[in-house]
Amino acid sequence: QSVLTQPPSVSAAPGQKVTISCSGRSSNIGNNYVSWYQQLPGTAPKLLIYDNNVRPSGIPDRFSGSKSGTSATLGITGLQTGDEGDYYCGSWDRSLGSVVFGGGTKLTVL
Amino acid sequence: QVQLQESGPGLVKPSETLSLTCTVSGGSITSYYWSWIRKPPGKGLEWIGYMYFSGNTKWNPSLRGRVTTSADTSKNQFSLRLNSVTAADTAVYYCARVVRYSDTSGQYYPNWFAPWGQGILVTVSS
Repeated sequence: QSVLTQPPSVSAAPGQKVTISCSGRSSNIGNNYVSWYQQLPGTAPKLLIYDNNVRPSGIPDRFSGSKSGTSATLGITGLQTGDEGDYYCGSWDRSLGSVVFGGGTKLTVL
Repeated sequence: QVQLQESGPGLVKPSETLSLTCTVSGGSITSYYWSWIRKPPGKGLEWIGYMYFSGNTKWNPSLRGRVTTSADTSKNQFSLRLNSVTAADTAVYYCARVVRYSDTSGQYYPNWFAPWGQGILVTVSS
């Protein structure tokens, strides 16, 4: 059981928009930054979003992040088949004294 | 740009010590903080901890006492040792650069991880 809660799967058609939620507590998301990672099949995780809503250089603006209270959301617009993979959220948890991640969300582009 | 590559045995016997090395290219290990993260089969990511080449470390409390680390600046490598392994330690192990942030009290915490190595599967089995 992961400390951060994500839906196991989401799906949408090419060109559409999808959102992935990440729910936590005041000890993690509520008072710390959230980052998002994309893991395409057979590859290493890749940073998509850091500091809740900042895209690293090279990440398309189709990807966006937001945070409200103890929840965070990753948004992906203009879905492409190449976006299929697993997406993880992460945050520092002050109570646990550890970085915690969500269990991952599998994105399927129908 | 910075690139990382994990190496080590893919099979470790129960109760023995898991040893992995991460080789960094495109940047010096003395310039950044470094982290280990693992993904057990069928489960999510688990943070193991982070280290600086000079010895500043922070570990996941669930693993504290079993983890040691070291750095070899001449080879631009850092290493992880996890002792007394069990089947629960079977996972893909990743090394990654970690960026920290500080709060208003000046305490530092790991914030985000990039880039990551390609990962290495370590199976604990007799």
